[in-house]
Amino acid sequence: GQSLEQPSEVTAVEGAIVQINCTYQTSGFYGLSWYQQHDGGAPTFLSYNALDGLEETGRFSSFLSRSDSYGYLLLQELQMKDSASYFCAVTGSNYQLIWGAGTKLIIKP
Amino acid sequence: DAMVIQNPRYQVTQFGKPVTLSCSQTLNHNVMYWYQQKSSQAPKLLFHYYDKDFNNEADTPDNFQSRRPNTSFCFLDIRSPGLGDAAMYLCATSRDRVSPAGSDFGAGTRLSVL
Repeated sequence: GQSLEQPSEVTAVEGAIVQINCTYQTSGFYGLSWYQQHDGGAPTFLSYNALDGLEETGRFSSFLSRSDSYGYLLLQELQMKDSASYFCAVTGSNYQLIWGAGTKLIIKP
Repeated sequence: DAMVIQNPRYQVTQFGKPVTLSCSQTLNHNVMYWYQQKSSQAPKLLFHYYDKDFNNEADTPDNFQSRRPNTSFCFLDIRSPGLGDAAMYLCATSRDRVSPAGSDFGAGTRLSVL
């Protein structure tokens, strides 16, 4: 089967750095993407990694290691507005997104 | 300047009463997707259109149908909603079928079934 694993919940302090890990097992792989979703809102695309390495976009960075079937999302200088659920998703062999179950990020003042 | 627009934002229907959700896009994207998302779960792909080519996921119930009369509009029809169909329904678009990762999502329609 195809699966993605990510922690169900992560807690961090405002101003700190947090890393959300994602491991995947899929029949095909074109890339790993990350989405942010606030309660009651729609997913918002954050980043996409097709090749190994680190991609940086402002306070957010995303990393991929295809040999390890592993990636992570790094959030720096956490703000209260970053409290949300974060989903990793793999573009699989049929070009569909295979989603992880999501990580709820709780930020404390 | 919303680019993927879903109407209505909230929909209440009765058990067994057909309901239609709508989605429009101003991006001129070729691909439109419908997802179902239940509380604290990942979005689940129901089907997608690549232009007029309809693609149904294998586990999408027959109760769910879709129409795409033109590039800009796509509809989700639920023929006989059950209590288990209460969920957020998300419409998304992408420029082409090989690049779904950067999909643009609408704000969603939250469906309640009484």
